[in-house]
Amino acid sequence: ETGVTQTPRHLVMGMTNKKSLKCEQHLGHNAMYWYKQSAKKPLELMFVYNFKEQTENNSVPSRFSPECPNSSHLFLHLHTLQPEDSALYLCASSQGGTGKAEQYFGPGTRLTVT
Amino acid sequence: AQTVTQSQPEMSVQEAETVTLSCTYDTSESDYYLFWYKQPPSRQMILVIRQEAYKQQNATENRFSVNFQKAAKSFSLKISDSQLGDAAMYFCASLTQGGSEKLVFGKGTKLTVNP
Repeated sequence: ETGVTQTPRHLVMGMTNKKSLKCEQHLGHNAMYWYKQSAKKPLELMFVYNFKEQTENNSVPSRFSPECPNSSHLFLHLHTLQPEDSALYLCASSQGGTGKAEQYFGPGTRLTVT
Repeated sequence: AQTVTQSQPEMSVQEAETVTLSCTYDTSESDYYLFWYKQPPSRQMILVIRQEAYKQQNATENRFSVNFQKAAKSFSLKISDSQLGDAAMYFCASLTQGGSEKLVFGKGTKLTVNP
């Protein structure tokens, strides 16, 4: 266990559904991240939040909508997804601002879009 | 822009032997950090080892050590006395200081440990 939890662990949704992924960190970190992991591709950074403020949006389509209500919680709201959005979505946290802190990852949510 | 390259999609090693995973990177920054992460079949990404670019001494964590060649922009991971539990995907990553702390990952190397 790394101190970062994600729910649900598995999610199957249709293209017209709306769902949300949840991430929670118990490490007292102030930065949180969403990554997408697809087969045979490097991990892709999607969003970065520092002190609840979004500091990075890596050209992610608007059908992915992040929310960070506080430094411990991060959500990824999903709507009208496409089959190519099927992937493992990883959340991570770090003690941001120091530039040297390693990121701690959650177990991921395996998303399948049908 | 940073890039990280892992040229070995798959590697295998016999239990108790040593294996080296390769990683090269490209960055224009002078101050950066390098990491090796391990992702077992359970999918939880775990930090294995880290190296600060300003340190000449290679980082070591028990059976894991790195060979950091700054001029060549090479950062290989050596696993000694390989164990069955070492079987996983291994990702090399770099991070530059300041601003949004973006980890840039390589594509990964799948390590198989044979009994």
